[in-house]
Amino acid sequence: DVKVTQSSRYLVKRTGEKVFLECVQDMDHENMFWYRQDPGLGLRLIYFSYDVKMKEKGDIPEGYSVSREKKERFSLILESASTNQTSMYLCASSPSGQSSYEQYFGPGTRLTVT
Amino acid sequence: AQKITQTQPGMFVQEKEAVTLDCTYDTSDPSYGLFWYKQPSSGEMIFLIYQGSYDQQNATEGRYSLNFQKARKSANLVISASQLGDSAMYFCAMRLEGQGFSFIFGKGTRLLVKP
Repeated sequence: DVKVTQSSRYLVKRTGEKVFLECVQDMDHENMFWYRQDPGLGLRLIYFSYDVKMKEKGDIPEGYSVSREKKERFSLILESASTNQTSMYLCASSPSGQSSYEQYFGPGTRLTVT
Repeated sequence: AQKITQTQPGMFVQEKEAVTLDCTYDTSDPSYGLFWYKQPSSGEMIFLIYQGSYDQQNATEGRYSLNFQKARKSANLVISASQLGDSAMYFCAMRLEGQGFSFIFGKGTRLLVKP
């Protein structure tokens, strides 16, 4: 079974802190994604990566950065956390190639910034 | 612009009845994939069903079927014989080959199954 894990299920941080959210997948997938999920807004793509050290901005990249030094790991970084970044963060991975490949999601990290 | 629209923020259905969740999409790409995911209150996203743009037949997976109408650009999810465990958020998504294989999600529909 494909497994996508995220470093924390729940996280509480203070405004201005640097926050790292880690995601690891064990199926050698090329593509990895970070979404945030807010009520009424669905899933919004923050960044995605289609290869090691490659990254592309999604719909809402402001205030975030990412790092992909190894194929299995994709990190989301909040350089200076703000209260409007309180949200559920979902990581996903998928193989590249055909449009039929589904995304596999991690369990999510619920981040609260106070 | 590429877009997924789910017009039903919330729905009720009686247990054991069938329910249809609406999804329309917008793309000019000829090759794309359409997905439905279920998200229970626990938060994990569960893949339900997939339909390819070139598939001639509607996809089915157990109690789930996808009513694919390409000319109307709709990909509605039909759940037959609803169960209490079907209460969840449901997301429709589209994957485009020419867009870095990224996914576009709708805003979701919250389904509540009444006993």
